[in-house]
Amino acid sequence: DAGVIQSPRHEVTEMGQEVTLRCKPISGHNSLFWYRQTMMRGLELLIYFNNNVPIDDSGMPEDRFSAKMPNASFSTLKIQPSEPRDSAVYFCASSLGLVSVIAKNIQYFGAGTRLSVL
Amino acid sequence: AQTVTQSQPEMSVQEAETVTLSCTYDTSESDYYLFWYKQPPSRQMILVIRQEAYKQQNATENRFSVNFQKAAKSFSLKISDSQLGDAAMYFCAYRSNAGNMLTFGGGTRLMVKP
Repeated sequence: DAGVIQSPRHEVTEMGQEVTLRCKPISGHNSLFWYRQTMMRGLELLIYFNNNVPIDDSGMPEDRFSAKMPNASFSTLKIQPSEPRDSAVYFCASSLGLVSVIAKNIQYFGAGTRLSVL
Repeated sequence: AQTVTQSQPEMSVQEAETVTLSCTYDTSESDYYLFWYKQPPSRQMILVIRQEAYKQQNATENRFSVNFQKAAKSFSLKISDSQLGDAAMYFCAYRSNAGNMLTFGGGTRLMVKP
């Protein structure tokens, strides 16, 4: 399996522009997570989906952020309009979801997207 | 809400020596899971080791082992025979048995000296 695939690897944009980050989870996984990593706040969970349905979006910073999961193999995180304080590394992770066996419930991470908003 | 604390922002170890990274957490739950993730300069988050709270035996994965003290809410990572490739950020993480989300500590940067 290729693992969790995120694109792009790096994104540089200007303030006010729309940014879309993409994620392809591991095939067969039914939970998907979006995290943001910054020096100040560390790793924060933004939102997670179970069976394509958003379960908890309490970590989404504000209305400028939105996430979708139209099918089991694709998710997007959109920022519109982007601001310099959105600069961070954004990770996507997937897991097999709520099962009792821990070995099946490990989160596997993508390589992340480094976003720079100028 | 659960919190995870890593009190050592940076640690250094000589190659082939042993180092221990500390992690404490706060929870009112009795059943949960704990993880250590490694983040090398490539940014990829890699699972190192995991521990189920209901298990008394400490988890071990090759050169990596944990010291899980449930009463003290402590979960330290020991790396034996340190290698240059172990240099990375290490994150401790907590997951409730009832939920699916990870709560991360602030991380510890490990440097390995040749």
